[in-house]
Amino acid sequence: AQKVTQTQTSISVVEKTTVTMDCVYETRDSSYFLFWYKQTASGEIVFLIRQDSYKKENATVGHYSLNFQKPKSSIGLIITATQIEDSAVYFCAMREGRSALGRLHFGAGTQLIVIP
Amino acid sequence: GGIITQTPKFLIGQEGQKLTLKCQQNFNHDTMYWYRQDSGKGLRLIYYSITENDLQKGDLSEGYDASREKKSSFSLTVTSAQKNEMAVFLCASRPGLGPYAEQFFGPGTRLTVL
Repeated sequence: AQKVTQTQTSISVVEKTTVTMDCVYETRDSSYFLFWYKQTASGEIVFLIRQDSYKKENATVGHYSLNFQKPKSSIGLIITATQIEDSAVYFCAMREGRSALGRLHFGAGTQLIVIP
Repeated sequence: GGIITQTPKFLIGQEGQKLTLKCQQNFNHDTMYWYRQDSGKGLRLIYYSITENDLQKGDLSEGYDASREKKSSFSLTVTSAQKNEMAVFLCASRPGLGPYAEQFFGPGTRLTVL
């Protein structure tokens, strides 16, 4: 079974609007860490933002924020005031805290297209 | 800061050929990873290594070998390239075993098998 699921294959939005990308995860661990990564058209993958499962506050970095709904095992990525350069593929990932080896489980990704 | 270098950037092989991909990082990170990404798909873990000379199989290790002879380098071998195979192989690294640490990715090696 997939540990991390991103159901939205592709989303198109108009520049300067807000977009939310969905991600649900599956774990039995009480402690886990959720990450979002961005892959640009060139193939470069960069880390964007992290949510620790024990924190109630939603993480925010620049114009990225998270909507962490623990009872629903959901971690949405919100991008406000989208820009053309936000066009990319966004991956959600989870690392379970008890795993000493700390491997990341990735979702399939959501392609975001920002239209001028 | 640091950087992850992957060589070669493009790799073209023949069916049945043994092919080796190399990854170097100067972050001084303990853990290194190899992922495979097929066109339009997510990342699948092939092998990872938590320290020099350590190897751990991922979900997709069949058909691959890996080697971590130095802390800074991690190589991946496709033991027998499959005809019409096309994928990008991504190397990543992160410090220690702490679960909160982010991974840093290399630029990838694009494999085409004729």
